[in-house]
Amino acid sequence: QVQLVQSGAEVKKPASSVKVSCKASGGTFSSYVISWVRQAPGQGLEWMGGIIPILGTANYAQKFQGRVTITADESTSTAHMELSSLRSEDTAVYYCAITDRGYFQHWGQGTLVTVSS
Amino acid sequence: DIQMTQSPSSLSASVGDRVTITCRASQSISSYLNWYQQKPGKAPNLLIYAAFSLQSGVPPRFSGSGSGTDFTLTISSLQPADFATYYCQQSYSTPYTFGQGTKLEIK
Repeated sequence: QVQLVQSGAEVKKPASSVKVSCKASGGTFSSYVISWVRQAPGQGLEWMGGIIPILGTANYAQKFQGRVTITADESTSTAHMELSSLRSEDTAVYYCAITDRGYFQHWGQGTLVTVSS
Repeated sequence: DIQMTQSPSSLSASVGDRVTITCRASQSISSYLNWYQQKPGKAPNLLIYAAFSLQSGVPPRFSGSGSGTDFTLTISSLQPADFATYYCQQSYSTPYTFGQGTKLEIK
């Protein structure tokens, strides 16, 4: 059974960066597509981007271009999402998900990132 | 970007009711439409992919239909565990986009 375990909650200052990790187990990491989806408090779901670990290439939503970097480390079966120039509107739960043909089949438990001065 | 619009935004229903949620895409997305259930404080859970394919382990009271721009999620007989928020999502092209959600509440 595939499982994704994410890193713990973070509190960050505006203008700083945050890096969230997502460790996969129970499957073949390099063959996955790993996506990141976020959800602001009381709001809907927003796709940020994804990566194919075996290729190392990432695809980002235009909204986050230049601020987000998604990477994957095959040696540890871990994907990372780094978001820079944080502002209060980035306060959200960030999820990683294994993506199959564009649908999000398995999800991590979520990581709350709070941006506050 | 493809806009996804769900209706209704909220819905009150009783255990045993048949419920239908609608999702409309701003352009044709063929059958690249997926449905998720989310409960408070939890990650979304995939119910239906490719418009009508039931994800493994999902009860058969859930079904999906539609193609092109108009899609529906139907729950044939509501159970207590089904009271949650439901999202549609298009996987036709990136950026993948979601509907705003439909909150299903107990009447």
